[in-house]
Amino acid sequence: DVKVTQSSRYLVKRTGEKVFLECVQDMDHENMFWYRQDPGLGLRLIYFSYDVKMKEKGDIPEGYSVSREKKERFSLILESASTNQTSMYLCASSTRTNEKLFFGSGTQLSVL
Amino acid sequence: AQSVTQLDSQVPVFEEAPVELRCNYSSSVSVYLFWYVQYPNQGLQLLLKYLSGSTLVESINGFEAEFNKSQTSFHLRKPSVHISDTAEYFCAVRVNWDSSASKIIFGSGTRLSIRP
Repeated sequence: DVKVTQSSRYLVKRTGEKVFLECVQDMDHENMFWYRQDPGLGLRLIYFSYDVKMKEKGDIPEGYSVSREKKERFSLILESASTNQTSMYLCASSTRTNEKLFFGSGTQLSVL
Repeated sequence: AQSVTQLDSQVPVFEEAPVELRCNYSSSVSVYLFWYVQYPNQGLQLLLKYLSGSTLVESINGFEAEFNKSQTSFHLRKPSVHISDTAEYFCAVRVNWDSSASKIIFGSGTRLSIRP
């Protein structure tokens, strides 16, 4: 089975801190995604990547950046965390055709 | 811009009753459509998908969805629900980015609660 691993299940950070969320997949998938999940808003796409070193903005990229230096790893960076970035962050991966997304278990980030 | 609209944020139903979760999409090109499910305290997983061919697609646990191009809908139905179907359901659409890449856009989700 495909495994998508997110480095932390829970994180608590302070306003202004730089935050790194890591995601690793083990199935050689081309595509990787970062979403945030908020009650009543569903999943909103932050960034995605369809190849190493390639990245594209999703619907809500402001305040975030990403890095994909290796095919299996996709990192989400909050340059200066703010309270409105408190959320559940979900990483996903898929093959190039995107016929099925595989999700990690999520990171619940609280920014105080 | 392509988007997905789930018209109901919450749907309460009695056990063994039928249910329909509504989903409409906007897209000017051919679409791939999906329903994902998130059971309590679990990660998201694919429930069913429409890629091409028959417009009626089914899942292994009795759900079905019908792609209706004229109404731009992909509603999810089950004739008789069980307590174990309690979950949040997300409709999603694949959006082509360029000739070689695409992204998946999700709706806001519908929370299905089953009453005994």
